Amino acid sequence: KAGVTQTPRYLIKTRGQQVTLSCSPISGHRSVSWYQQTPGQGLQFLFEYFSETQRNKGNFPGRFSGRQFSNSRSEMNVSTLELGDSALYLCASSSQTGDTQYFGPGTRLTVL
Amino acid sequence: QKEVEQNSGPLSVPEGAIASLNCTYSDRGSQSFFWYRQYSGKSPELIMSIYSNGDKEDGRFTAQLNKASQYVSLLIRDSQPSDSATYLCAVNRKAAGNKLTFGGGTRVLVKP
Repeated sequence: KAGVTQTPRYLIKTRGQQVTLSCSPISGHRSVSWYQQTPGQGLQFLFEYFSETQRNKGNFPGRFSGRQFSNSRSEMNVSTLELGDSALYLCASSSQTGDTQYFGPGTRLTVL
Repeated sequence: QKEVEQNSGPLSVPEGAIASLNCTYSDRGSQSFFWYRQYSGKSPELIMSIYSNGDKEDGRFTAQLNKASQYVSLLIRDSQPSDSATYLCAVNRKAAGNKLTFGGGTRVLVKP
């Protein structure tokens, strides 16, 4: 089976811009979770989508949003980018609740 | 108190020795426990999952779970230089869907 894929792999944006990241889960997986990883805060949960519905949300401002499509592919959007949004954004897919999550390669976002 | 705590390291071990990593968690409702390995600049890669008290072995890796004491550990036997990485402990409360809470990670250095 193909693994989790994320596009793009690298992004450079400037403050105030918005960005959309994409994640395709492992075939058959209906759950997609998004995480932010920074050197200072580590890996933090952003949100989870399951069957096109947001099931969980972490403690991030409303500038961070996401959605999931009927084919389980997911996108996350960050509006009005801030310098502190520079991070590695990871998505992970899972077949069912509480099951193992498999991570994609991540998108490295740099905000200048 | 952090929800999931790990010693940041670095944990330096000679090649061929056993590396012992520990992780404690605060949420007694946690039901799923995972160890991920992350090489610098890469995404987390699953090593082990454990769901019930006791030991679980997979090759050179053994995970140990003690829910009463709220800790989970990972042993790496016959450590190799390729095991040098950051090891992340993650826990999930099934009622929370697929929301992993991560520790800060333990950096392991295996010296030839």
